[in-house]
Amino acid sequence: GAVVSQHPSRVICKSGTSVKIECRSLDFQATTMFWYRQFPKQSLMLMATSNEGSKATYEQGVEKDKFLINHASLTLSTLTVTSAHPEDSSFYICSARDRWLLAFFGQGTRLTVV
Amino acid sequence: QQQVKQSPQSLIVQKGGIPIINCAYENTAFDYFPWYQQFPGKGPALLIAIRPDVSEKKEGRFTISFNKSAKQFSLHIMDSQPGDSATYFCAARSGAGSYQLTFGKGTKLSVIP
Repeated sequence: GAVVSQHPSRVICKSGTSVKIECRSLDFQATTMFWYRQFPKQSLMLMATSNEGSKATYEQGVEKDKFLINHASLTLSTLTVTSAHPEDSSFYICSARDRWLLAFFGQGTRLTVV
Repeated sequence: QQQVKQSPQSLIVQKGGIPIINCAYENTAFDYFPWYQQFPGKGPALLIAIRPDVSEKKEGRFTISFNKSAKQFSLHIMDSQPGDSATYFCAARSGAGSYQLTFGKGTKLSVIP
């Protein structure tokens, strides 16, 4: 299957700082990428849909000014958690969709805000 | 409103057993039904998927059964192994727009030796 690389896998940051998470499709072009958040022992919660060259579409309840998404190329999307607080600590996962509309997931990023 | 209902929440089977995980959906506009396997601290990995015009699909030890009229589908794992211990998510893809996935709540499978 297609490979989606997500970095970093783990990050610890201080409260009030910003953290950037990268999601790359390594062997295919992805016009659409998705960002999810997953709480312990729960399912994936869609945060936003990112389309290359246009603004992301955020799900209801997700603060677009806190979770900045940029999809500047067909192989890279980034999620920046701005002014992070402890309640933003979570497991963030990206997904990239290939031309056959199949979704492949990154390895996830464990964010801990202290 | 949960659009994909998954059961059971957890499942324990002995090695060699056949765990079965069930999912039901409501939206007839879904056009693709994948199953994902997730290990702790990792992202979900696509395991097997089926389209609604097919009643069964088998890949290795994994089989999906699909009942379009009942709007239900299930995952069977043959000859389960301890290495299959993971959380399994069913999903359904919308057939238009962003083709986003709607996930079930997951089933934690434990295969004991």
